[in-house]
Amino acid sequence: AQSVSQHNHHVILSEAASLELGCNYSYGGTVNLFWYVQYPGQHLQLLLKYFSGDPLVKGIKGFEAEFIKSKFSFNLRKPSVQWSDTAEYFCAVTSSGGSYIPTFGRGTSLIVHP
Amino acid sequence: EAGVTQSPTHLIKTRGQQATLRCSPISGHTSVYWYQQALGLGLQFLLWYDEGEERNRGNFPPRFSGRQFPNYSSELNVNALELEDSALYLCASSPDGGSSYNSPLHFGNGTRLTVT
Repeated sequence: AQSVSQHNHHVILSEAASLELGCNYSYGGTVNLFWYVQYPGQHLQLLLKYFSGDPLVKGIKGFEAEFIKSKFSFNLRKPSVQWSDTAEYFCAVTSSGGSYIPTFGRGTSLIVHP
Repeated sequence: EAGVTQSPTHLIKTRGQQATLRCSPISGHTSVYWYQQALGLGLQFLLWYDEGEERNRGNFPPRFSGRQFPNYSSELNVNALELEDSALYLCASSPDGGSSYNSPLHFGNGTRLTVT
């Protein structure tokens, strides 16, 4: 069975600081990887996704993530955060080993101080 | 395009009662997923429906059940409510019915269920 671990549960940053949120998954086969974001009072929405090809993927609002297969990781990064990035971030994975059911991590709460 | 809609927004029930939550997927989407989002636990997979059939269910007791209607809308029923069922219940839809696992999920705003 697949599982997803997000190591940082709460992150507090000042504006303009750099961000990196960790995500590790357990399944050893072919996977699809996603980062979702939930802004306060809004629904979960897709930030970026990786299916194949270039392991560095770019998403909306200046976010990017790097797939490192050897480390089973898909970390989310942003060079300079803004107050509006305050949100909850979820990493998710789908795979044939998980019966194609998207499995989510516990989420990381990011607070950015202006 | 209209997004995934869920009703009601909030639901307050007493322990032992039954709760019914509803979800309308994005037009053209055939798959509906239900997740429970309890505080600090992330999203826990409950149920997956596609083309009117239950395709998979998560590690939840049988008192969590549901169905999908011919118009692809879905209903989640929770019987014999317990205090620990208090959570945000999220519905999500996708267009490809599990034929591939590439499509991201489109989420509704959720139903906040409180059991007292």
